[in-house]
Order: sequence, then structure tokens, then C-alpha cells
Amino acid sequence: GAVVSQHPSWVICKSGTSVKIECRSLDFQATTMFWYRQFPKQSLMLMATSNEGSKATYEQGVEKDKFLINHASLTLSTLTVTSAHPEDSSFYICSATKKGETQYFGPGTRLLVL
Amino acid sequence: AQTVTQSQPEMSVQEAETVTLSCTYDTSESDYYLFWYKQPPSRQMILVIRQEAYKQQNATENRFSVNFQKAAKSFSLKISDSQLGDAAMYFCAYRPLSGSARQLTFGSGTQLTVLP
Repeated sequence: GAVVSQHPSWVICKSGTSVKIECRSLDFQATTMFWYRQFPKQSLMLMATSNEGSKATYEQGVEKDKFLINHASLTLSTLTVTSAHPEDSSFYICSATKKGETQYFGPGTRLLVL
Repeated sequence: AQTVTQSQPEMSVQEAETVTLSCTYDTSESDYYLFWYKQPPSRQMILVIRQEAYKQQNATENRFSVNFQKAAKSFSLKISDSQLGDAAMYFCAYRPLSGSARQLTFGSGTQLTVLP
């Protein structure tokens, strides 16, 4: 199968701190990883597309300095929420895909900023 | 731009019965993929079924099947013999076949309740 993990699954932090979320493809090499944000009872909103070894492509309205994405290897991408504020509280989901194939999703990370 | 529309925010079905979830999409592409994903209360996104637009045959996966009408740009999901574990939010999604990004475009979702 194609398994994608995320860590941590839950994080609570104080306003102003930075939080890093890891996304790993466990049994395949992911040419592309995607980061989504989801509010309760809503659909997934694509934040950025990440290709290994290159800069991420951010969707319109997503602050690239706020949400730093690094895709250092074919199995790991990280999302860092810098200087987090309560409005950044959300559910963040990553997905990974082999070239030309289906996206497989991680279990998500719940972020609560106090 | 591609859009995906799910016109049923909520649906319910009796256990062991059949339910159909609707999805329409808009695209100018001729080749693309369509997906149904399931998101249970755990919020883990699970692939239910995938359809390649160039294939005329409707995809099936056990109790799940689709009715793909390319000309009408319709892609409905039929769940047969519904089980309690089928209760979830279901998202229809579109992805172009070509292009560098190959991003998914999601519909707004249909919350399915299975009644015992």
C-alpha cells in the first residue's frame, strides 16, 4: 500500500511560537507532496504544492512567509507555521503522490494556538 | 478553472440499503481523473474509488461503484449494502491528467449517515 504519516497528530502552542509539522511517505518515494488546511465541516483547501528539491508553489492568499514548506527528500516534507496566532488553529493535512498517480493522505495534524 | 460540485450536503441511508451520492464537474480538459474520497470522524482521508476519464467502463470496488457520464460531466458514487462503517463525509475530486501540478480540486462534500 501507500502509507503517509504525519507528526505530530495534535499540537497546542502559545501565540507567537512556531510549530513544525512533518509529512512522510513510508513505503514510496513521493515526487510531489501537497499541504491542505481544513476547517470543521468544510472541504480541503490546498495551501501549497511541494516538489523535492525545489521551492514550494503557494496558492493565492497563502502567506509563504507564514507557512514555510521544505521538501528536503523524496520521503519528507515539513510545514512550519511561524509566529502562530489563534486564527491559524486548524486541521492540516498532507498528501503525497508518486509521479502521475493517486494522492495518498496523511492522518492530519490538529493545531490549537492559545 | 475546474470546479467540482456536490449538491447534497447531507444524505442518509438505512443499513443494508443502497445510496447514491452526486457529483458534477466542469473542465475543458479531455483527459483527467476523478476520485471519491471518504473522511470518517477520524478525519483520515481514504481513497474509495478512482476513474480515468478515457475509460468508458465504470470503476467498481466491492460495494462501491460509480456512474461516470463524461458528456454530462457527472460522476456519482453508489454504495450498495450500506454498512455503519460507511458513515463519513464523502468528497468528490478532479485531477487533470497532464500538467506539472496535478492538483486535486475537491467538492464541498456530502455527509453520509447510516441508520441502523
